[in-house]
Amino acid sequence: DQQVKQNSPSLSVQEGRISILNCDYTNSMFDYFLWYKKYPAEGPTFLISISSIKDKNEDGRFTVFLNKSAKHLSLHIVPSQPGDSAVYFCAASDQGTYKYIFGTGTRLKVLA
Amino acid sequence: DTEVTQTPKHLVMGMTNKKSLKCEQHMGHRAMYWYKQKAKKPPELMFVYSYEKLSINESVPSRFSPECPNSSLLNLHLHALQPEDSALYLCASSQGRSLYTEAFFGQGTRLTVV
Repeated sequence: DQQVKQNSPSLSVQEGRISILNCDYTNSMFDYFLWYKKYPAEGPTFLISISSIKDKNEDGRFTVFLNKSAKHLSLHIVPSQPGDSAVYFCAASDQGTYKYIFGTGTRLKVLA
Repeated sequence: DTEVTQTPKHLVMGMTNKKSLKCEQHMGHRAMYWYKQKAKKPPELMFVYSYEKLSINESVPSRFSPECPNSSLLNLHLHALQPEDSALYLCASSQGRSLYTEAFFGQGTRLTVV
């Protein structure tokens, strides 16, 4: 039972354009959401997060949007750069348990 | 220091061997985690330690045995593994006493069971 899903396994974007990565979740107990970037054979690197009391959080080129009623979040990267090419995982947490549950991942390729 | 250090980086072991993976953090975090990641899959939670006590075991087979000797260290003892246990094993830590904080991950140990 996959509680966190990323329906697009891959995404290609031209350099300078916007990358939009999507994530859906099913567990209404999740109250904290995170995005991680991962290269092969390395650990995930934290990018940005949002708590359930907000609907938007911005950090430089990265913005995360949360739609609680739709149980959906998205990560916007603008402008996209070739160095952004990696696998992106969304993660969700029920902070009462300290569990971080990962989505299925989206491979982003930014074309120069 | 926002680093989680895992050793070794690579490990090859036979099905009858006993080995251990080690993880260390010096951020004062009180929650520590073991995740397993197979190729083209998301990291999958195995164990959570909170304040040096095992708080979550995600129905992991007993051939994997976690240990938290102190607040900075986390071990994963391996015994009688199967080839399908070959994966990237990731350690992580988080504050464990504040809400809405991220988990920091180590670089992982690439385990191959032969």
